[in-house]
Amino acid sequence: DVKVTQSSRYLVKRTGEKVFLECVQDMDHENMFWYRQDPGLGLRLIYFSYDVKMKEKGDIPEGYSVSREKKERFSLILESASTNQTSMYLCASRRIQRGSDTQYFGPGTRLTVL
Amino acid sequence: DQQVKQNSPSLSVQEGRISILNCDYTNSMFDYFLWYKKYPAEGPTFLISISSIKDKNEDGRFTVFLNKSAKHLSLHIVPSQPGDSAVYFCAASAFGSGNTGKLIFGQGTTLQVKP
Repeated sequence: DVKVTQSSRYLVKRTGEKVFLECVQDMDHENMFWYRQDPGLGLRLIYFSYDVKMKEKGDIPEGYSVSREKKERFSLILESASTNQTSMYLCASRRIQRGSDTQYFGPGTRLTVL
Repeated sequence: DQQVKQNSPSLSVQEGRISILNCDYTNSMFDYFLWYKKYPAEGPTFLISISSIKDKNEDGRFTVFLNKSAKHLSLHIVPSQPGDSAVYFCAASAFGSGNTGKLIFGQGTTLQVKP
C-alpha cells in the first residue's frame, strides 16, 4: 500500500509567519504534488516535483515555494502567511503502472492563518 | 476557466438505490480520468479510473462510464450504502501528452446516502 504522511493535521499561524508543511512518501515515487482544497473550488495544484531538486509551478503558485532535497520528502513553504492561505493542504505521490497512473494523497493539513 | 466541471454540488439518495455522479470536461486532450472520494478531515482516496480507449470500467459496486463525444463521465454506485456518504471528485489528465501527471479536478459533489 502507498503511504503518504503529512507533518501536521492542524496548524494555526499568524499573518506574516513563515510556514513549512512537510510530506513524506515511502514508495520511492518520483512525482509528488501539493494541492489546496477550498469549498466550491475542488483541488487546485500549487506545485509539483518530478524528481529530486526538480520542481514546476502548478496553477496557483503565488505566495508558495517548495523544496525537494530527498526523493521521499516534498515540502511546501509559505514565505509570509496571509489569511487567504487558510485552507486544507493536500500532498500526493504518483504511482505509474502498466495501464494506470494514480495519485495517492496524504491525510491533509488544515491551516488557519489569523 | 474550469476544464473539469461537476455541476451538482450535492446529491441525496436512499440506501440500496443507485447513485449517479456526473462530470463534464472541456479539454479534448484529456485521456485519463479518475474518481476520488473524500471524507471530512481526510485526504482523497482513489476509487476508480478509466482511460479514453475504454467507455466503461467496473470495480465492485463502482462503475465509471465515459462518453468521449459528449466529453462526459459518470460514476455509478450500486447499491449505495450510508458509508458512501462523502465528497466525490472527478479528475482528468493528459496522460499521453508530456506525462507530467498533472490532474485537473472538478469542484466536487457531496453525496448523502440515507439509511
